Amino acid sequence: AQSVTQPDIHITVSEGASLELRCNYSYGATPYLFWYVQSPGQGLQLLLKYFSGDTLVQGIKGFEAEFKRSQSSFNLRKPSVHWSDAAEYFCAVGARGTASKLTFGTGTRLQVTL
Amino acid sequence: GAVVSQHPSRVICKSGTSVKIECRSLDFQATTMFWYRQFPKQSLMLMATSNEGSKATYEQGVEKDKFLINHASLTLSTLTVTSAHPEDSSFYICSAGERGGMGGYTFGSGTRLTVV
Repeated sequence: AQSVTQPDIHITVSEGASLELRCNYSYGATPYLFWYVQSPGQGLQLLLKYFSGDTLVQGIKGFEAEFKRSQSSFNLRKPSVHWSDAAEYFCAVGARGTASKLTFGTGTRLQVTL
Repeated sequence: GAVVSQHPSRVICKSGTSVKIECRSLDFQATTMFWYRQFPKQSLMLMATSNEGSKATYEQGVEKDKFLINHASLTLSTLTVTSAHPEDSSFYICSAGERGGMGGYTFGSGTRLTVV
């Protein structure tokens, strides 16, 4: 069975500081990995996705993530956090194709202090 | 980019009534759409997979007679919460993947359902 673990429930960083959100997955085949961001009361916005190829993927809003197969990880990073990045972040795993359901992690709530 | 429109964004209904939530893919065709439920400060729980022209596939523990899903066209899926009770109050989100796409889904903005 597929699963996603986001070990950090809540992270607080200062504006301008770097950020890394952890994500570990368990998946029996080639994983397709996603990071989504959710603002309060809103739907989810795709930050980036990994299907194959270069293991360092760039996303929107200055985010990047690195796929490490040996560690079953797909951590999200940003060099300098902005106050507007405060939100809930979800890592997800699925199979290729749009008929494949995603399994989400429990999310990490990011708080940014000024 | 792909856009999924979900309506209504908020709805309050009385116990025992039914509520319909619509999910539309605006600029692409979606053979499959997904319906999720999210409790406060929790992750998304997949309720069902909606397939155009066929019956939805429900996840274990989800009552298919309570949560009716219809996917009548390639751009529209609806979720009807029948005989709603206060415990059905939640945030419901739909998502869709573009037909023939590689994956990665576009999400609607969600519907906050409150049953009083």
